Amino acid sequence: ILNVEQSPQSLHVQEGDSTNFTCSFPSSNFYALHWYRWETAKSPEALFVMTLNGDEKKKGRISATLNTKEGYSYLYIKGSQPEDSATYLCAFIWNFNKFYFGSGTKLNVKP
Amino acid sequence: EPEVTQTPSHQVTQMGQEVILRCVPISNHLYFYWYRQILGQKVEFLVSFYNNEISEKSEIFDDQFSVERPDGSNFTLKIRSTKLEDSAMYFCASSAGWGAEAFFGQGTRLTVV
Repeated sequence: ILNVEQSPQSLHVQEGDSTNFTCSFPSSNFYALHWYRWETAKSPEALFVMTLNGDEKKKGRISATLNTKEGYSYLYIKGSQPEDSATYLCAFIWNFNKFYFGSGTKLNVKP
Repeated sequence: EPEVTQTPSHQVTQMGQEVILRCVPISNHLYFYWYRQILGQKVEFLVSFYNNEISEKSEIFDDQFSVERPDGSNFTLKIRSTKLEDSAMYFCASSAGWGAEAFFGQGTRLTVV
């Protein structure tokens, strides 16, 4: 079983703060890395699919970077809003179609 | 917007009984997955399915588990003889391509008593 680590496990920030989380994964046999946003009582929704070393993706106030050689990805949220409160999951895709998830970072943004 | 649907949302079953969890993936997707999350633990990959056969499976997916796509729209997960430790939230997902973003259903909470 491949190990995918996310840190921190949880984060409490004030509205307007910027924040970032880390996903660490094995650097060998990399195929892709996904970030998902998972709100309570809903299903995970894809934020980013990242495949190339050095990839940077952006969606509104959320962006992500990828370093496949050292095995990490960062997710950044600029100016956090209460609606950003969710668990953020990363998934390491190995051998084309086998997903390994991290345990997630639970973000709570206080108004 | 197309979505993955799962039924039932919650199933309670006696230990040793067979259960079938049902999923309707997004219609033009070709790759299908089952995951589970035991309470308080990580989401775990169970199996991926493509072209009417299993393409990958995890160490968890032993002989008591099986998947099929019986009619071209449903995608089912069968657990032959449930154990207490099978209690979890089971998620179905589908994607349009290898390694592409997965679209998840709302999950089926399975409780084995």
